[in-house]
Amino acid sequence: AQSVSQHNHHVILSEAASLELGCNYSYGGTVNLFWYVQYPGQHLQLLLKYFSGDPLVKGIKGFEAEFIKSKFSFNLRKPSVQWSDTAEYFCAVISFSGGYNKLIFGAGTRLAVHP
Amino acid sequence: GAGVSQSPSNKVTEKGKDVELRCDPISGHTALYWYRQSLGQGLEFLIYFQGNSAPDKSGLPSDRFSAERTGGSVSTLTIQRTQQEDSAVYLCASTSGLAGSYEQYFGPGTRLTVT
Repeated sequence: AQSVSQHNHHVILSEAASLELGCNYSYGGTVNLFWYVQYPGQHLQLLLKYFSGDPLVKGIKGFEAEFIKSKFSFNLRKPSVQWSDTAEYFCAVISFSGGYNKLIFGAGTRLAVHP
Repeated sequence: GAGVSQSPSNKVTEKGKDVELRCDPISGHTALYWYRQSLGQGLEFLIYFQGNSAPDKSGLPSDRFSAERTGGSVSTLTIQRTQQEDSAVYLCASTSGLAGSYEQYFGPGTRLTVT
C-alpha cells in the first residue's frame, strides 16, 4: 500500500533559520506529490506540487521542494523562515486506483517559529 | 469564486447520538472527498464520490459511517451512534474530476466533539 512518512513531527525554529522538512513516500508508479499547509485556524492550502519535469519545484511564500526519485523523497525547504510560517505541514502523494485518485497524507509536521 | 464550504463548523454531541456533516463543493467540481483529521494521526481518507456514486468507501472506519451525495453537488457524511473516538475534524475536498486535474481544494472542516 502507498504511504507517506514525515519524520519530523514537531520542529521549533527561530526566525531567519533555514527549514527542511523530510517527506518519504512509498509508491511504485508515477508519482504526483504535494505539500499542503494548515495555518492556525485556517483550512488546508496547497503550498506546491510536483507532477513531472524539473524536480525542484517552487511554491508560494518562498517554499520549494525537491523530488529525488532515487531516495523516494520530496523534502520541503525554505532558506529563511518567518514567524508567520508557524503552521502544520503535510506531505501527500496521489494514489491512483480503480480509475480515480485520492491523496495519501503523511502525519504532518508542526512548525513553530519563534521571533 | 466560492470555495468548498462545510457546515456546521463545530459540533458537540453526546455519545450515542447521530450527526450529519455537510459539504458544498466548488461549483462544477464532480469529484468530492471526505477525510478525517485526528489529533496526532494526520489526515485519513474516508470516501470518494465521482458524481453521485461512491466507487471507494474503503476508508469508512465502521458501518456507523455513511455518506451520500445528491445532484452531483452537496454531500452529507452521517455518523450513527457516535463514539468518543469519532471526535476529530472532518474535512471535505473537491476537484474538477477532469483528467490530470489532481489538486484538491479543501473546506474549513467540521470539528466534531463527542462527549
